[in-house]
Amino acid sequence: GQQVMQIPQYQHVQEGEDFTTYCNSSTTLSNIQWYKQRPGGHPVFLIQLVKSGEVKKQKRLTFQFGEAKKNSSLHITATQTTDVGTYFCAVIGYSTLTFGKGTMLLVSP
Amino acid sequence: NAGVMQNPRHLVRRRGQEARLRCSPMKGHSHVYWYRQLPEEGLKFMVYLQKENIIDESGMPKERFSAEFPKEGPSILRIQQVVRGDSAAYFCASSPPGWGGYEQYFGPGTRLTVT
Repeated sequence: GQQVMQIPQYQHVQEGEDFTTYCNSSTTLSNIQWYKQRPGGHPVFLIQLVKSGEVKKQKRLTFQFGEAKKNSSLHITATQTTDVGTYFCAVIGYSTLTFGKGTMLLVSP
Repeated sequence: NAGVMQNPRHLVRRRGQEARLRCSPMKGHSHVYWYRQLPEEGLKFMVYLQKENIIDESGMPKERFSAEFPKEGPSILRIQQVVRGDSAAYFCASSPPGWGGYEQYFGPGTRLTVT
């Protein structure tokens, strides 16, 4: 199955700083999804990217899909304490999702 | 519109006992997926079921684990003779018929602790 590597594994920022997590694959991806999991919570779908070079925004979150469809990124502008959690990318296989290991984001006030 | 429901939320079992985890998908959803999450790890796919059918169980350990999704009632993930390494969060997700890669809706999870 398809594998994705996510970096960094962990990031600690001060509130107001920006944050970026990256998801990389050695193979071309048909599409990619992003999920957020709050501490003690469950994964919640954020977005799906399908097209090469696609960029989507949700308020302070910007999602990008690389031109070669082998990588993706999630950027958060001016983090807030409510952004704390682990952000996962996931790729869609025949019948399931394969998740990256996630990037844990801590935000200090 | 209730979301995906899982119970129990927390389950403690002694080594050698059986654990039964239940999942009721969202209304109208006929596809159920089970994932396991070890502490500080990502989610690992275990099994994909539709009503009365196992579609993909490539992520299920070969022994002690089984899953079903009967015509009536919730999906069940069953772990026999639990060991300490089975301690994890088990999440169920569901999606509507004809899933073509849209979002999966996750339940709150069952945290299994084996003592």
